[in-house]
Amino acid sequence: SQQGEEDPQALSIQEGENATMNCSYKTSINNLQWYRQNSGRGLVHLILIRSNEREKHSGRLRVTLDTSKKSSSLLITASRAADTASYFCATDRSYSGAGSYQLTFGKGTKLSVIP
Amino acid sequence: DVKVTQSSRYLVKRTGEKVFLECVQDMDHENMFWYRQDPGLGLRLIYFSYDVKMKEKGDIPEGYSVSREKKERFSLILESASTNQTSMYLCASSLEGGFSERDSVVSGELFFGEGSRLTVL
Repeated sequence: SQQGEEDPQALSIQEGENATMNCSYKTSINNLQWYRQNSGRGLVHLILIRSNEREKHSGRLRVTLDTSKKSSSLLITASRAADTASYFCATDRSYSGAGSYQLTFGKGTKLSVIP
Repeated sequence: DVKVTQSSRYLVKRTGEKVFLECVQDMDHENMFWYRQDPGLGLRLIYFSYDVKMKEKGDIPEGYSVSREKKERFSLILESASTNQTSMYLCASSLEGGFSERDSVVSGELFFGEGSRLTVL
């Protein structure tokens, strides 16, 4: 079952511009994570934000989380051609009183950064 | 650095064949996962395991089974491959991410292998 949905599906920008990707989800979460995937490769973890956090930074990445709107955004500042990849959000479903080991991924945003 | 190794990057099999996809991680992670990735459908969880000999069904377990006899190794088995199982298969592992405010165990960061692209003819 799909939990997170990224928007837009595809994004094309010029090098040096900022890229913003959004993720919406449906049910309560413990945390939300963003991953990157270069074409034909495995996914690489970028950043994790917990449900009690509102914003987090890592280098050129900035992630926000709005639990009231059930949404998150990933901002990549000063984009580079090497940032060209697909970006996925993943949510850890929150089950009261039970363990939750699963991450559910969205379908991804395909980012193209043009040199 | 955590390393998750999938045994084959590319496989071509025939309908009805038994297929084994192997995954090994070297960081003593408790949790291991198998996902498949298809265009337009994203990543979908097939099975996961949170301990040796333990397994849980994900969202699309039909047609698949798994084996975890050792902590570092998680195998995905297609008993009788079919053309609709042509896909990219991704293995991942993780530590637990601690506990939430409600004392439920939360997922930590996933470490993925490079993927195994399976074609069933």
